[in-house]
Amino acid sequence: GAVVSQHPSWVICKSGTSVKIECRSLDFQATTMFWYRQFPKQSLMLMATSNEGSKATYEQGVEKDKFLINHASLTLSTLTVTSAHPEDSSFYICSGLKAGNTGELFFGEGSRLTVL
Amino acid sequence: GENVEQHPSTLSVQEGDSAVIKCTYSDSASNYFPWYKQELGKGPQLIIDIRSNVGEKKDQRIAVTLNKTAKHFSLHITETQPEDSAVYFCAARTSGTYKYIFGTGTRLKVLA
Repeated sequence: GAVVSQHPSWVICKSGTSVKIECRSLDFQATTMFWYRQFPKQSLMLMATSNEGSKATYEQGVEKDKFLINHASLTLSTLTVTSAHPEDSSFYICSGLKAGNTGELFFGEGSRLTVL
Repeated sequence: GENVEQHPSTLSVQEGDSAVIKCTYSDSASNYFPWYKQELGKGPQLIIDIRSNVGEKKDQRIAVTLNKTAKHFSLHITETQPEDSAVYFCAARTSGTYKYIFGTGTRLKVLA
């Protein structure tokens, strides 16, 4: 399989600060990356679709100014949670879409954000 | 809109028994069906997948079957082991798009 590295794996921050999460595809090029949010014991909730070199497409109800996504290269996408509040505490997971006919999706290890 | 239903939500089996998780999708244009295993505190890991041009695929103790007519696909784990305990998600992807629709997950517990 392919490897997607996500960093940091966990972060604790104070309310009002911003946090950046990085997602890297290590051994393949990902023209498209997805960002998910997962609440305890629930499924993956798609937040946005990120395409290299263009603006991200956000799902309904996800604030684009709150969750800034940048996909500057074929191997790196970042999610910045701006002015974080306790309700933003969650498990954030990225995934990279392997280019080509297969279009397989590979996930990062996830980042647990706790906002105090 | 597209929807994927997954059952059961929780499943407990004795070590060595088989486990079956079932998913139903709504979009008949879906053509790719992966299964992911998620361990506590980690991201989902692709364990097996199947495409719409085949009916069954097997990889050691894991197999997936697809019934396109009924729009069902299932994950079969044989000779379960405690390390199989995790949450399993099915997903469906529609031809021509890269959008994946995920099931709600099945929490599998393998009892030693």
